[in-house]
Amino acid sequence: DTGVSQNPRHKITKRGQNVTFRCDPISEHNRLYWYRQTLGQGPEFLTYFQNEAQLEKSRLLSDRFSAERPKGSFSTLEIQRTEQGDSAMYLCASRAGDIKGTTEAFFGQGTRLTVV
Amino acid sequence: AQKVTQAQTEISVVEKEDVTLDCVYETRDTTYYLFWYKQPPSGELVFLIRRNSFDEQNEISGRYSWNFQKSTSSFNFTITASQVVDSAVYFCALSEAGGFQKLVFGTGTRLLVSP
Repeated sequence: DTGVSQNPRHKITKRGQNVTFRCDPISEHNRLYWYRQTLGQGPEFLTYFQNEAQLEKSRLLSDRFSAERPKGSFSTLEIQRTEQGDSAMYLCASRAGDIKGTTEAFFGQGTRLTVV
Repeated sequence: AQKVTQAQTEISVVEKEDVTLDCVYETRDTTYYLFWYKQPPSGELVFLIRRNSFDEQNEISGRYSWNFQKSTSSFNFTITASQVVDSAVYFCALSEAGGFQKLVFGTGTRLLVSP
């Protein structure tokens, strides 16, 4: 296990279809984040998991978006009824938790979604 | 609210030149973390450095150096003797020291190093 793994790397879908992305964090990292990055912008926070609990969701995460981390290991991000505005790079990051919480987040290579 | 500003959208230099990437941040927190990440064309964000708000000592790592000035809310990044492989988008980011530590990113600076 050399890093955060995301699948698929690229996804092209028609407007209105549902899509699901998967993130496999670094082993033993109990904290997992999803970010969205649009062209020319920095990543924006979407949601955060600590183990299997989803503890924070951004206002960016509309009701068409849902994320899960059922066993505290891998996570999925689903977008229902996709819209062209959902086209972006979806990034996953994981981090080990310690008492001081000073460990850095490691990012995957992202899933690039194109909605046509 | 937290905010990170990277005013330089794109910088072009010739190999071996020194280049400084600017980062200015806003936060109401008294303790926080500052980061720099590199994003090559492959898309993965590569961690470069994390600084604690209570540690203003500048840091050097090889050709990279960072200047943290709390008085001006700046955390600038200098690459000495730039190389073509340094070409990438560089992001400055900020997180709270406690809580969930989600990252707030700037808009990034694209660095182009030509031979």
